[in-house]
Amino acid sequence: DVKVTQSSRYLVKRTGEKVFLECVQDMDHENMFWYRQDPGLGLRLIYFSYDVKMKEKGDIPEGYSVSREKKERFSLILESASTNQTSMYLCASSEGGSNQPQHFGDGTRLSIL
Amino acid sequence: GEDVEQSLFLSVREGDSSVINCTYTDSSSTYLYWYKQEPGAGLQLLTYIFSNMDMKQDQRLTVLLNKKDKHLSLRIADTQTGDSAIYFCAETLTNTGNQFYFGTGTSLTVIP
Repeated sequence: DVKVTQSSRYLVKRTGEKVFLECVQDMDHENMFWYRQDPGLGLRLIYFSYDVKMKEKGDIPEGYSVSREKKERFSLILESASTNQTSMYLCASSEGGSNQPQHFGDGTRLSIL
Repeated sequence: GEDVEQSLFLSVREGDSSVINCTYTDSSSTYLYWYKQEPGAGLQLLTYIFSNMDMKQDQRLTVLLNKKDKHLSLRIADTQTGDSAIYFCAETLTNTGNQFYFGTGTSLTVIP
């Protein structure tokens, strides 16, 4: 079974802080993704990566950056957290190639005060 | 960008069938997926269908695809309280195969 682990289930931070969300997968998947989920808006793609040190912007990259130094780990960074970044953040991974099903972690509910 | 639409809410009685609908706009879809999200959890892959298929059945789940109308549905037979969750449809496209386009999600409530 694919295991995607997000380091925190709940996180509370203050406006202006630098925030790191970590995601690790154990299936040697090439592709990794970060989404945010907000009520009524579904999932919106922030960034994805198809290889180590590679990254691509998704639909809403503003205010975020990512890091993929190792194949199994994909980090999402909020450079200077703002209240409109309060959300559920979901990490996913998939095998290389097209159309591979994505496997999700349990999510991190982030609150910015 | 691609637009994938779902109704936000659906309520059914326990034992009845549930039908969750999804429409999309881009005809170059390759695969279409259904995911389930239970409260406080991530998304769990339920099933998926290749775009040249009309139907796929997996135990209590039946997926129907009408490619002409760009309409996808998920039917859950004999719906149970444990089926209460948010259901997301998603698709991949020919020219952006790694990227998933998700619907807004349908919250299914099963009434005992």
